[in-house]
Amino acid sequence: DAGVTQSPTHLIKTRGQQVTLRCSPISGHKSVSWYQQVLGQGPQFIFQYYEKEERGRGNFPDRFSARQFPNYSSELNVNALLLGDSALYLCASSYGTGGTDTQYFGPGTRLTVL
Amino acid sequence: AQSVTQLDSQVPVFEEAPVELRCNYSSSVSVYLFWYVQYPNQGLQLLLKYLSGSTLVKSINGFEAEFNKSQTSFHLRKPSVHISDTAEYFCAVSPRSGGSNYKLTFGKGTLLTVNP
Repeated sequence: DAGVTQSPTHLIKTRGQQVTLRCSPISGHKSVSWYQQVLGQGPQFIFQYYEKEERGRGNFPDRFSARQFPNYSSELNVNALLLGDSALYLCASSYGTGGTDTQYFGPGTRLTVL
Repeated sequence: AQSVTQLDSQVPVFEEAPVELRCNYSSSVSVYLFWYVQYPNQGLQLLLKYLSGSTLVKSINGFEAEFNKSQTSFHLRKPSVHISDTAEYFCAVSPRSGGSNYKLTFGKGTLLTVNP
């Protein structure tokens, strides 16, 4: 089975622009989470979606938003980009939302903001 | 809230030597514990996890970790490393109960470099 896929692989934007990142979960998984990994740091939780509803949100500004579609794929949107938004954005899927549900990560989207 | 401290940012070792990557956590509630590995230019892969039962958990590629509740630690060990083990290793926790038990909290990572 295919793993978690993310697109695009790399993205370069300028300050003030908007960006949309996409994620397709493993077949059968209903939950998608988004994490931001800044260079030299561990991933930080941004959002979790389950059955198209937001289940949790990390400590990120309102410029960050996401949604989940009926096929369980997801998009992460970031508005008014700042230099500090440059990071690897990771998507993880899991079957459910419990702590025992293993989260499987995609390869990430590398966002560079100039 | 939870926090994770990985005590070493970089660990260089020679091939076939033993290695220990240290992880301590802080949490007001019980947690599940995880080790993830990230190879260059790739996403995270689950290496092993502790959910319940035996405090010693093992991966298929020779790594093991032991949950020590009194010391709030979950150190990762391998008795003999290979060049291919070169990667960044992340320790993570998630709460066992409450509304946010899906949320993984990661440490800053330990870069393991295995030299010939």
